Amino acid sequence: NIVLTQSPATLSVTPGESVSLSCRASQSISTSIHWYQQKSNESPRLLIKYASQSISGIPSRFSGSGSGTDFTLSINRVESEDFSIYYCQQSYSSLYGTFGGGTKLELK
Amino acid sequence: QVQLQQSGAELVKPGSSVKISCKASGYTFTSYDMHWIKQQPGNGLEWIGWIYPGNGNTKYNQKFNGKATLTADKSSSTAYMQLSSLTSEDSAVYFCAHYGGYSAYWGQGTLVTVSS
Repeated sequence: NIVLTQSPATLSVTPGESVSLSCRASQSISTSIHWYQQKSNESPRLLIKYASQSISGIPSRFSGSGSGTDFTLSINRVESEDFSIYYCQQSYSSLYGTFGGGTKLELK
Repeated sequence: QVQLQQSGAELVKPGSSVKISCKASGYTFTSYDMHWIKQQPGNGLEWIGWIYPGNGNTKYNQKFNGKATLTADKSSSTAYMQLSSLTSEDSAVYFCAHYGGYSAYWGQGTLVTVSS
């Protein structure tokens, strides 16, 4: 089974900073990775699909990159509304749907 | 527009079962997988499994074999998940999510609380 490891677990930043969140797969998964944002008491929201493809309605400060085993979600100039938890999800293996453990983006 | 409307919160006793629903609208229900995801308080997202309503095929995370049973009613465009032999470990919010290679649409979540 493919395991997704997200790092760091928590990232403390000030608004205006740019950040990178990491998701590493236990084996190569091409670009079959998707990123979600989840705010407290809300359903997850899709931010990026297939590693780097943008989603309609998502601010352009969110971008994704990577292929194989290493993936990155970048947020250019974090805004206050971005403080939440971010998850990656793979859709490569037959047990598709597995999620990473999440990265919490918090206010420093 | 795609919408997934889940049933309301449940308070259930240990050892019992519960069946939660997810009514889909705005797309062809039988053409896309429906995934189910568990989230315990303060924890991350845990994938339970999927059902393809077109033919009823299912796939489960091995951890949930025997715990969760996924079904779908094509006539009402509703997916269901039954959880059996409930314990405190099953207390969580459960989401359904439309899947087209990724999950762009999610239900609002159903809180299941297992308590005597």
